[in-house]
Amino acid sequence: EVQVVESGGGLVQWGGSLRLSCAASGFTFSGYWMHWVRQAPGKGLVWVSRISKDGTSISYADSVKGRFTISRDNAKNTLYLQMNSLGAEDTAVYYCAGDPDSSGYSWFDPWGQGTLVTVSS
Amino acid sequence: DIQMTQSPSSLSASVGDRVTITCRASQSIRNYLNWYQQKPGKAPNLLIHAASGLQSGVPSRFSGSGSATEFTLTISSLQPEDLATYYCQQSYKIPYTFGQGTRLEIK
Repeated sequence: EVQVVESGGGLVQWGGSLRLSCAASGFTFSGYWMHWVRQAPGKGLVWVSRISKDGTSISYADSVKGRFTISRDNAKNTLYLQMNSLGAEDTAVYYCAGDPDSSGYSWFDPWGQGTLVTVSS
Repeated sequence: DIQMTQSPSSLSASVGDRVTITCRASQSIRNYLNWYQQKPGKAPNLLIHAASGLQSGVPSRFSGSGSATEFTLTISSLQPEDLATYYCQQSYKIPYTFGQGTRLEIK
């Protein structure tokens, strides 16, 4: 069974840091690009970051560039998101999603259930 | 960034109705367009990839079409379990961007 399980969310103070993890199973993790997508309460989906299969190619949304760091450990089938200098605008459910990058096409599947990050002042 | 605009933002339809949602891109994205369904309180789920490819396990009443800047998602016969918000997403250029969503209600 394909599973993607995020963890590490919670309540953090403004300016603080948090590290999210995403454990994958049931598919060949090292064969997938991986992404983080977030959703603020009651709002739409926003792409945050992506990392290539071997971790050598990384991209970020401008809103998190310089503050967030994506990484992966293929030996542990785990994706990470280190989030620093958090602000109220970072409050959201964070989803981890796989991307098979099939024939040059990208899409998000599978998805995790999400982990909620709340930044308080 | 490529802007994705969905219409309508919300709609109400009856069981059995044919429903169409439109997504427009601010520039040509060829067929690098995906559709997702998000049920209340749940993670999104991929419906359509590359504009018209039906994802495995998705009911055949869902279909996608279009290219360049205009795309549609069609539900041929609406079912009660289709209550959800639907998002389009372009994967042509980083940063990947989503439409604002279309909330579908069942009359």
